[in-house]
Amino acid sequence: NAGVTQTPKFQVLKTGQSMTLQCAQDMNHNSMYWYRQDPGMGLRLIYYSASEGTTDKGEVPNGYNVSRLNKREFSLRLESAAPSQTSVYFCASIILGTANQPQHFGDGTRLSIL
Amino acid sequence: AQTVTQSQPEMSVQEAETVTLSCTYDTSENNYYLFWYKQPPSRQMILVIRQEAYKQQNATENRFSVNFQKAAKSFSLKISDSQLGDTAMYFCAFMLINTDKLIFGTGTRLQVFP
Repeated sequence: NAGVTQTPKFQVLKTGQSMTLQCAQDMNHNSMYWYRQDPGMGLRLIYYSASEGTTDKGEVPNGYNVSRLNKREFSLRLESAAPSQTSVYFCASIILGTANQPQHFGDGTRLSIL
Repeated sequence: AQTVTQSQPEMSVQEAETVTLSCTYDTSENNYYLFWYKQPPSRQMILVIRQEAYKQQNATENRFSVNFQKAAKSFSLKISDSQLGDTAMYFCAFMLINTDKLIFGTGTRLQVFP
């Protein structure tokens, strides 16, 4: 069982470059999420998608765009990367309405912007 | 808005001993879930234990148990018989029913010494 798969695992960008982080889940989950994790800050929600074709802003959406083209995949795009976006990014998924079940997380993408 | 506070950035414990990690949260809602996640150096996010707010009985999972004090808005994690493999970051998280959005604390880094 693959669960939640994130690609790439590591990436280094130059300021101003663009990049898309990919996330796919094979658990037929409705809801998908993108978080960023910074030292001393815990995980902060960037965007989430409750279902295919819908997306909503989380706590820290500025500088990011997302796309939920189908039920399996939820991508996160940095149009013009900035050093402040250096972070570890996690994708997660859950079946909508089953809040007593845990979110399933991918293994993270470590992104460095120079 | 809901917030989660973990006031202990770092903790240490000797192998086989017991340690308690603190978590407080703030909400005006009555129906919610609370979680403890473990993040080892591998960066995986692993669910340790969860508690439904409507249940008065404290949740227990093997060596892990919680002390849930709803009136005080406190949700501490007790790890008994600590093992070297318990060394990790521990995150407390809050989720309102029907929102599916997790709000994380800033984490506590736990080091288990032999």
